[in-house]
Amino acid sequence: GAVVSQHPSRVICKSGTSVKIECRSLDFQATTMFWYRQFPKQSLMLMATSNEGSKATYEQGVEKDKFLINHASLTLSTLTVTSAHPEDSSFYICSASGRQNIQYFGAGTRLSVL
Amino acid sequence: AQSVTQLDSHVSVSEGTPVLLRCNYSSSYSPSLFWYVQHPNKGLQLLLKYTSAATLVKGINGFEAEFKKSETSFHLTKPSAHMSDAAEYFCVVSEASGTASKLTFGTGTRLQVTL
Repeated sequence: GAVVSQHPSRVICKSGTSVKIECRSLDFQATTMFWYRQFPKQSLMLMATSNEGSKATYEQGVEKDKFLINHASLTLSTLTVTSAHPEDSSFYICSASGRQNIQYFGAGTRLSVL
Repeated sequence: AQSVTQLDSHVSVSEGTPVLLRCNYSSSYSPSLFWYVQHPNKGLQLLLKYTSAATLVKGINGFEAEFKKSETSFHLTKPSAHMSDAAEYFCVVSEASGTASKLTFGTGTRLQVTL
């Protein structure tokens, strides 16, 4: 089946620093990638949708200057949390979708901002 | 607009007994429906999907779900629960089109399996 790799799985950083999370589709070309945020014991909330080679589309309430998304190739998308603060601590999950219009999810990144 | 309601936030069953996780959906179009499973601190794994073909959908690990348009339901079942089935389950709806569509997630049902 389709495999999506997300790295790192866990990151701890100081307040004010930036953190980059990578999402790779390993065995298929992902025309669209999605970034989600999940708070403890809650469902996934879509943050943004990105298509290869174009700007990401952000959901209402998500700061595009704070959560920078780059989708430079059909197998890689990155999410950079800029100037992270403790309230940005969360579980971030990416997904990738190819021709079958099914989203395959990465294992997630737990971000802790001190 | 589309939405999903998972009727139970927590379900507890004994090992070897049937599992029923309930889901109702609302969609303006012919939806695609999915069930995903999430183990602690892990990403989501696709269990099964319905995309307007057979209404009874068989998935991995013995799970299946039946699409009932008249009841706008897509309940997930398994004849016999295993300890390894303990996880969070999400019912998801997508207004499918030719390109990747947004997913709307239910709030999740935590399945507990006891000995």
